[in-house]
Amino acid sequence: AQSVTQPDIHITVSEGASLELRCNYSYGATPYLFWYVQSPGQGLQLLLKYFSGDTLVQGIKGFEAEFKRSQSSFNLRKPSVHWSDAAEYFCAVGAGGKAAGNKLTFGGGTRVLVKP
Amino acid sequence: DVKVTQSSRYLVKRTGEKVFLECVQDMDHENMFWYRQDPGLGLRLIYFSYDVKMKEKGDIPEGYSVSREKKERFSLILESASTNQTSMYLCASSFLGGGLYEQYFGPGTRLTVT
Repeated sequence: AQSVTQPDIHITVSEGASLELRCNYSYGATPYLFWYVQSPGQGLQLLLKYFSGDTLVQGIKGFEAEFKRSQSSFNLRKPSVHWSDAAEYFCAVGAGGKAAGNKLTFGGGTRVLVKP
Repeated sequence: DVKVTQSSRYLVKRTGEKVFLECVQDMDHENMFWYRQDPGLGLRLIYFSYDVKMKEKGDIPEGYSVSREKKERFSLILESASTNQTSMYLCASSFLGGGLYEQYFGPGTRLTVT
């Protein structure tokens, strides 16, 4: 069965500093990987996704993520954090194909606090 | 823009009541999903549907049922609400295909059962 681990429950970062959120997955085949962000009181918004190809993926809002098959990781990064990046971030792994119903398995989330 | 709407943002119900949560999407997506979100546990899949009148259990279906009579609408039903069903409920939709399409989420319904 697929699973996702986000080891950090909370991260506090100063505005302007860099941010890295960790995600480790367990999946038997080539995974479909996603990062979503949830701002307070909102639903989830897709930041970026990885299916195949270049292992460094660019997303919206200046975020990027790197797929490392050898480490089963898909870490999210941003070079310079803005106060508006304070939110909860979710990593997810999916099973492609109609038979799997395109389901996603989510990690527990990492809450990011931004200090002025 | 894809839009997924949920009938209520906040809901307060009493133990034993029957509760309906409604979700509507406007992008002709085949797949629709219901999740519950609890602190530290992320999102857990309750049920999903890949076609009208079709449904599949997710990871935590106990105490819930669903209905999909029209392609755009997916309802989550709590037959007899209990306090341990107090949670945030998120609906999502996506295309069904050979690859994996991203899911689009509604704003959520925060349900409190007293």
